[in-house]
Amino acid sequence: AQTVTQSQPEMSVQEAETVTLSCTYDTSESDYYLFWYKQPPSRQMILVIRQEAYKQQNATENRFSVNFQKAAKSFSLKISDSQLGDAAMYFCAYESGSSGGSNYKLTFGKGTLLTVNP
Amino acid sequence: NAGVMQNPRHLVRRRGQEARLRCSPMKGHSHVYWYRQLPEEGLKFMVYLQKENIIDESGMPKERFSAEFPKEGPSILRIQQVVRGDSAAYFCASSQGMGLSEQYFGPGTRLTVT
Repeated sequence: AQTVTQSQPEMSVQEAETVTLSCTYDTSESDYYLFWYKQPPSRQMILVIRQEAYKQQNATENRFSVNFQKAAKSFSLKISDSQLGDAAMYFCAYESGSSGGSNYKLTFGKGTLLTVNP
Repeated sequence: NAGVMQNPRHLVRRRGQEARLRCSPMKGHSHVYWYRQLPEEGLKFMVYLQKENIIDESGMPKERFSAEFPKEGPSILRIQQVVRGDSAAYFCASSQGMGLSEQYFGPGTRLTVT
């Protein structure tokens, strides 16, 4: 079974600075997808960024980018120019890409609570 | 275009009562997923349904929990004889297809069992 580990329960960053959230995962599959979700105090789950394992290029969405290290099974999220609205719980998630497997089931880490200081 | 709707947003039940959680997927989506988030935890997969079919219920507790997604109307997650350990946030997500289709999440239902 796949597992997702987020080793930082809490992180803090100054407004306008950069912060990196860590995520590692364990899988025997070669085809899969990785995600970062944001959960603000409203508890709504919002997709931040998505990475396909077969792509070598790291995904980027505006101020959000990932560092995907497939061999190391590492998938960190970098938030540049942090804003107060970035304060939230961030979850790393894994989804199998195998058509014969559970390629719909998201496996989540326990989350990292990000605080942005003004 | 309305997103995934869940109701109620908050539900309080006494031990032994039944809880019914509703989820209306996004327009055009026929795949529904239920996840549970216990305090201080990430979301855990419970069940995957398509219209009138349960595709995968491997994450559902064997007793007291059931889910359905009828041909008409919302998907329902039903918890019978609730216990304090059922207190959690229950999230529904929907997608257009399965596998590789982005799952869009609803705002969740927070169930409190007293």
